[in-house]
Amino acid sequence: GQNIDQPTEMTATEGAIVQINCTYQTSGFNGLFWYQQHAGEAPTFLSYNVLDGLEEKGRFSSFLSRSKGYSYLLLKELQMKDSASYLCAVRGYTGANNLFFGTGTRLTVIP
Amino acid sequence: DADVTQTPRNRITKTGKRIMLECSQTKGHDRMYWYRQDPGLGLRLIYYSFDVKDINKGEISDGYSVSRQAQAKFSLSLESAIPNQTALYFCATLGHSTGELFFGEGSRLTVL
Repeated sequence: GQNIDQPTEMTATEGAIVQINCTYQTSGFNGLFWYQQHAGEAPTFLSYNVLDGLEEKGRFSSFLSRSKGYSYLLLKELQMKDSASYLCAVRGYTGANNLFFGTGTRLTVIP
Repeated sequence: DADVTQTPRNRITKTGKRIMLECSQTKGHDRMYWYRQDPGLGLRLIYYSFDVKDINKGEISDGYSVSRQAQAKFSLSLESAIPNQTALYFCATLGHSTGELFFGEGSRLTVL
């Protein structure tokens, strides 16, 4: 089965750094994704990790440790527009290679 | 214009009615998906299709059916809608490179 855990809500201050954690237990692993979803909108792709380590993309970075079943999304220089839900999703290693999503972390950025 | 388009964007219906949600894409992707999203439960997979002749059930397919009319079109039907099918529904296609999903704008369905 699949189990993905991430905090339900977080609050951070504009200009600060925030780290959103994700732990997972899956039957097979073939990649971890982070998506951003603004309220009432579609999720949009942020990052992809399949090997251990840090992937940096502008203000956003994502880290993966496969041995620990752990990932985090790091958001730097927070802006008000970063207020959104952040979804952690894991691809299992099956023929379908489908994504399984966590319930998401709702981030609120305050002035 | 959106690469993955869903219609309708909003629908209110009554228990027992048949509802169809349509999805079309211009990305040329073979793989298409239907998810539903509920508060506190995240995105859950209903059905997926790898090509026109391939349809597969996801985690929560009961009460739903799908049709892949063409590579670009994938429809979700609720034969007899019930209130617990009230949710936000997303269609998605799978990209070829990293395997990221590209989502449509969502269809909000309310079943009274």
